[in-house]
Amino acid sequence: GQNIDQPTEMTATEGAIVQINCTYQTSGFNGLFWYQQHAGEAPTFLSYNVLDGLEEKGRFSSFLSRSKGYSYLLLKELQMKDSASYLCAVRDHRNTDKLIFGTGTRLQVFP
Amino acid sequence: GAVVSQHPSRVICKSGTSVKIECRSLDFQATTMFWYRQFPKKSLMLMATSNEGSKATYEQGVEKDKFLINHASLTLSTLTVTSAHPEDSSFYICSASKTGKGSNEKLFFGSGTQLSVL
Repeated sequence: GQNIDQPTEMTATEGAIVQINCTYQTSGFNGLFWYQQHAGEAPTFLSYNVLDGLEEKGRFSSFLSRSKGYSYLLLKELQMKDSASYLCAVRDHRNTDKLIFGTGTRLQVFP
Repeated sequence: GAVVSQHPSRVICKSGTSVKIECRSLDFQATTMFWYRQFPKKSLMLMATSNEGSKATYEQGVEKDKFLINHASLTLSTLTVTSAHPEDSSFYICSASKTGKGSNEKLFFGSGTQLSVL
């Protein structure tokens, strides 16, 4: 079966660093995505990893270890606007863009 | 970037009625679109894959006669919730797949539809 797990909720302080973990067990793997979603809005793309290692993109970085079925999203210099849900999603079919989403992590940033 | 328009953004209906939700790719052609359902404070659950010109592929546990999907053109997919009941109340989101080289951001999401069935 498909299983993608994330912590349900996290809190952090403005200016701090937070790491959101994602573990997955899927029948196939062809890339892992991270999305940000504010309440009542569409998810927006943050990052994509298909090879092991760290991908850095401004304040956000994403890491992947395929052998461990593990990824994390690292958010630096947190801002209040970073309060949102963060969704980990695995693409498990080579020929489609079908994504299976994780449970999502709601991050609350406090001043 | 690419824009996916989803309408309506919010709908309230009586139990037993049918509701149609539209998902349009405005500046690109999408042979494949996806429909998701999201409960409050939960993640997105894939309901079905909509393929232009052919039948949709439904995920396990999703009633195809309840959630009718039509993908009649390369820019439009519709989801019809038939004989809606209160338990169908949810946030429905579509996404469209943009083929071609370039960014890994090939999946673009609509803004979602909040369905409330009374």
